[in-house]
Amino acid sequence: GQSLEQPSEVTAVEGAIVQINCTYQTSGFYGLSWYQQHDGGAPTFLSYNALDGLEETGRFSSFLSRSDSYGYLLLQELQMKDSASYFCAVRPSNDYKLSFGAGTTVTVRA
Amino acid sequence: EPEVTQTPSHQVTQMGQEVILRCVPISNHLYFYWYRQILGQKVEFLVSFYNNEISEKSEIFDDQFSVERPDGSNFTLKIRSTKLEDSAMYFCAGGGPANTGELFFGEGSRLTVL
Repeated sequence: GQSLEQPSEVTAVEGAIVQINCTYQTSGFYGLSWYQQHDGGAPTFLSYNALDGLEETGRFSSFLSRSDSYGYLLLQELQMKDSASYFCAVRPSNDYKLSFGAGTTVTVRA
Repeated sequence: EPEVTQTPSHQVTQMGQEVILRCVPISNHLYFYWYRQILGQKVEFLVSFYNNEISEKSEIFDDQFSVERPDGSNFTLKIRSTKLEDSAMYFCAGGGPANTGELFFGEGSRLTVL
């Protein structure tokens, strides 16, 4: 099976930088994904790391260390619209199934 | 841009009733999934469907649940006899063949069992 640990909530001000850490245990590993979810809506894809290192997509970056079973999502230049839940998710096999963490609620204050 | 569509957006039903949730995935995807999310909790895997059959199911997906893709487009989740604890948001998702690791989710169907 899979288990993922991430902080339950983070609060920051507009313009700040937030890092959401995710540690995982899994019997198989093909990659780590990050999803954003606003108010119970559809989870939307942010990034995917299959190899070690940093992936940058605009204001969001994601990092993976497979040897440490660890990754993080970095949110830069925070905006009010970034207030949402962020989930890390492990892809344990070569299909597209994901196992999700419990999510981190990010609250951005003015 | 193609998208995953789900109906109904919200369904209220009485305990013991059958419910069918419908999804139209993106046509060129290979793998299809149902997930559920109880309010305030994480997104939980229910079942995966590939090549017109179930490829994996979770412990949640017991005999009360079934899935079908009868006509090559619609992908349905049936709950035969709903229980109070089935109240949740149900998401349909699809992926592949591009190896981006991305799952495309629908907007979800909120099921309320009274």
